[in-house]
Amino acid sequence: DAMVIQNPRYQVTQFGKPVTLSCSQTLNHNVMYWYQQKSSQAPKLLFHYYDKDFNNEADTPDNFQSRRPNTSFCFLDIRSPGLGDAAMYLCATSRGVGNQPQHFGDGTRLSIL
Amino acid sequence: AQSVSQHNHHVILSEAASLELGCNYSYGGTVNLFWYVQYPGQHLQLLLKYFSGDPLVKGIKGFEAEFIKSKFSFNLRKPSVQWSDTAEYFCAVNENSGGYQKVTFGTGTKLQVIP
Repeated sequence: DAMVIQNPRYQVTQFGKPVTLSCSQTLNHNVMYWYQQKSSQAPKLLFHYYDKDFNNEADTPDNFQSRRPNTSFCFLDIRSPGLGDAAMYLCATSRGVGNQPQHFGDGTRLSIL
Repeated sequence: AQSVSQHNHHVILSEAASLELGCNYSYGGTVNLFWYVQYPGQHLQLLLKYFSGDPLVKGIKGFEAEFIKSKFSFNLRKPSVQWSDTAEYFCAVNENSGGYQKVTFGTGTKLQVIP
């Protein structure tokens, strides 16, 4: 049973054309995270929401934004994708209270033409 | 900033061989440690975790890891690997900040088990 669902699995967009990736969860977790993972690299945290509080990592480009309209959904918006933004984007959730592991979605692989 | 090092990027073993994957982290305070596994075409899954207590942690599928505080290490082991263990393994360390976890991942180790 998928608990963290990312859509779509594969996304192709054009250079400079805005794109939105979506993530939903059935775990009712407080915290939702977005990571970027490039080939042979560690997942890199872009930002996360603790409930409605948005926390941006210092080195996340302004081109990347996020929305969390409710507990279950979180979106990653890339305003003007560049070739360097081609990557796997991972969504994860955690309870946010105490030390609980993160639960990951299958990821969305983004390609830029 | 926290950093996590996995020195083996690609490991090839025959079935039944023993496995040890290294993981070292930089943070000197209280840490929580994880190993995640990513099987081909699947999402990251938790393999095992250490929060406190016995430094030898047992996880799923016969894996274990040992936390050695003095060495800042959390190496993953399995006495006898199987072909189905072919996957990428990520070590991760978290800091608990403001009620949420900030997790730093290592770059991963790709394990290939040859039948």
